[in-house]
Amino acid sequence: DIQMTQSPSTLSASVGDRVTITCRASQSISTWLAWYQQKPGKAPKLLIYKASSLGSGVPSRFSGSGSGTEFTLTINSLQPDDFATYYCQQYNFSPRTFGQGTKLEIK
Amino acid sequence: QVQLQQSGPGLVKPSQTLSLTCAISGDSVSSDNAAWNWIRQSPSRGLEWLGRTYYRSKWYNDYAVSMKGRITVNPDTSKNQFSLQLNSVTPEDTAVYYCTNEGDRGYFHPWGQGTLVTVSS
Repeated sequence: DIQMTQSPSTLSASVGDRVTITCRASQSISTWLAWYQQKPGKAPKLLIYKASSLGSGVPSRFSGSGSGTEFTLTINSLQPDDFATYYCQQYNFSPRTFGQGTKLEIK
Repeated sequence: QVQLQQSGPGLVKPSQTLSLTCAISGDSVSSDNAAWNWIRQSPSRGLEWLGRTYYRSKWYNDYAVSMKGRITVNPDTSKNQFSLQLNSVTPEDTAVYYCTNEGDRGYFHPWGQGTLVTVSS
């Protein structure tokens, strides 16, 4: 199975900050990568697909980049609603696999 | 707009069978560009894909290797829903279970609301 490794595991930031989360795949997945946001007690919500395409209704302060084995999720001008846990997921290979998550906390 | 509504018990005894259902609105379980998945989440395992069912002129299933022999994912065309059955559960199967659509894209959207299933006597 493809291993997905996110860093950092926890990130402390303030409203208005710009933050970046990294996801690394154990082998090349081209751009077949998605990012999800999850809040406590809720299901994950799709943010980004195909590494850089914004999901429907997702604010433009979210952006994704990367290809091959290294990917980033960037959030510009953090809003209070953005404090959550973020996951990457590869869909180049079966089974689909997820990163372990990055918890974005308020500093 | 596709919506998924999960149902099923939140408590299952060890060695028994976990059964959950996911009702689909806004799409068809028989759609030839959908794939209906079950994923679970626990603190120890994170997000773990379990299995799926999909229709491409005939029905197919795929299951996680770690689940094989214990899992069945079935479509129910009469009720436009699909189900998860996990046999011989142990406390390690305690998790929040989600249903979701993968479609022919590979990413998961949308998701059901999640069901916390506790395996305990």
